[in-house]
Amino acid sequence: KAGVTQTPRYLIKTRGQQVTLSCSPISGHRSVSWYQQTPGQGLQFLFEYFSETQRNKGNFPGRFSGRQFSNSRSEMNVSTLELGDSALYLCASSLLLAGGPVGELFFGEGSRLTVL
Amino acid sequence: AQTVTQSQPEMSVQEAETVTLSCTYDTSESDYYLFWYKQPPSRQMILVIRQEAYKQQNATENRFSVNFQKAAKSFSLKISDSQLGDAAMYFCAYRRLENYGGSQGNLIFGKGTKLSVKP
Repeated sequence: KAGVTQTPRYLIKTRGQQVTLSCSPISGHRSVSWYQQTPGQGLQFLFEYFSETQRNKGNFPGRFSGRQFSNSRSEMNVSTLELGDSALYLCASSLLLAGGPVGELFFGEGSRLTVL
Repeated sequence: AQTVTQSQPEMSVQEAETVTLSCTYDTSESDYYLFWYKQPPSRQMILVIRQEAYKQQNATENRFSVNFQKAAKSFSLKISDSQLGDAAMYFCAYRRLENYGGSQGNLIFGKGTKLSVKP
């Protein structure tokens, strides 16, 4: 069974540009979450999608956005990049059952973004 | 707001020995989940062990076990018979219990503890 796939794995952008990161969850998983990992702030929750709807959002500026498609694949976009956006962006998928117990989060290897 | 604190930025253990990683958290809720995740260098994060706060029994997974002290809001991870492959960043994480509105909820992570294993 394929794991969570994130593309691209590495990318370099310059300030002011925008970037789109992609995440393909494990087959059958409909919940996708995004996290930002930096040395200074650690791991911080960005947002969560389920059934193409954003269900939960972290404390990030509006430059950070995302979406989920009908096949559960998700993308996140960061516009007007700043130096501080340099980070490892992690995607995680989960088999979310309505009213069921918390499912395990399965993480991808991440997309490492460098902003110059 | 909930917070998770890992007070040991780095730890070291000799192969085959036992090491304990500390984690404390702050919450006003009575029911929640706690997790330990492992992130090897340049590798994906994987779940090591989870604990439901309403369960008094400490969770164990092979060589990994936790010491969950709910009143003290402490959740330490013990690794027995340490192996070279245990070297990684370890993150303690908290999650609310409720699963509502179709939301998995968000994990609140500590800053992590870097574990080195000496041969």
